[in-house]
Amino acid sequence: KNEVEQSPQNLTAQEGEFITINCSYSVGISALHWLQQHPGGGIVSLFMLSSGKKKHGRLIATINIQEKHSSLHITASHPRDSAVYICAVKRAQKLVFGQGTRLTINP
Amino acid sequence: KAGVTQTPRYLIKTRGQQVTLSCSPISGHRSVSWYQQTPGQGLQFLFEYFSETQRNKGNFPGRFSGRQFSNSRSEMNVSTLELGDSALYLCASSLVKTSGSSYNEQFFGPGTRLTVL
Repeated sequence: KNEVEQSPQNLTAQEGEFITINCSYSVGISALHWLQQHPGGGIVSLFMLSSGKKKHGRLIATINIQEKHSSLHITASHPRDSAVYICAVKRAQKLVFGQGTRLTINP
Repeated sequence: KAGVTQTPRYLIKTRGQQVTLSCSPISGHRSVSWYQQTPGQGLQFLFEYFSETQRNKGNFPGRFSGRQFSNSRSEMNVSTLELGDSALYLCASSLVKTSGSSYNEQFFGPGTRLTVL
């Protein structure tokens, strides 16, 4: 079992839909990262959080440390949100990554 | 500020050769981390450098090495290339606070895509 599990692995939705991507981890962590990777490889850091909830535009990230679970939500999804979303946790001074969720938003 | 830059962007090598990849962090960032991304294994941590010292290392063989210069620029080297080393190599820089916190938001470069034939 991977230390960091994401679900779903693939997600296809229509423009405007509310999107939720989940991340569960099995070890104690000090912080969790949500990353976005577009075709071509470039990675952008969306959120870094260690408790509670953060919001940036249409993106919302939450984390429950006790349940070892985080969610990334996208409201009013748009085709430009199509990308791979990766959850990463900081453990023993290193980042451990989930396998990623490939999101496709159709117009 | 300019973002993280990596050179070269694409590289083709043959088995047994060695390769050196370069990463220039955002100005003022003293921590540089390197990652390997493959379709099978996903993203994996290679190593982290801070103030010219390797601070953390992932589970990779000794063929993978790196260094950091006084201007925070970093290089990674892979010797005796194998087919399985074909991957996207990403570096990321972060601003480490003087209080000692070793984890801050990371800013990723565009990556170097290495193909080993």
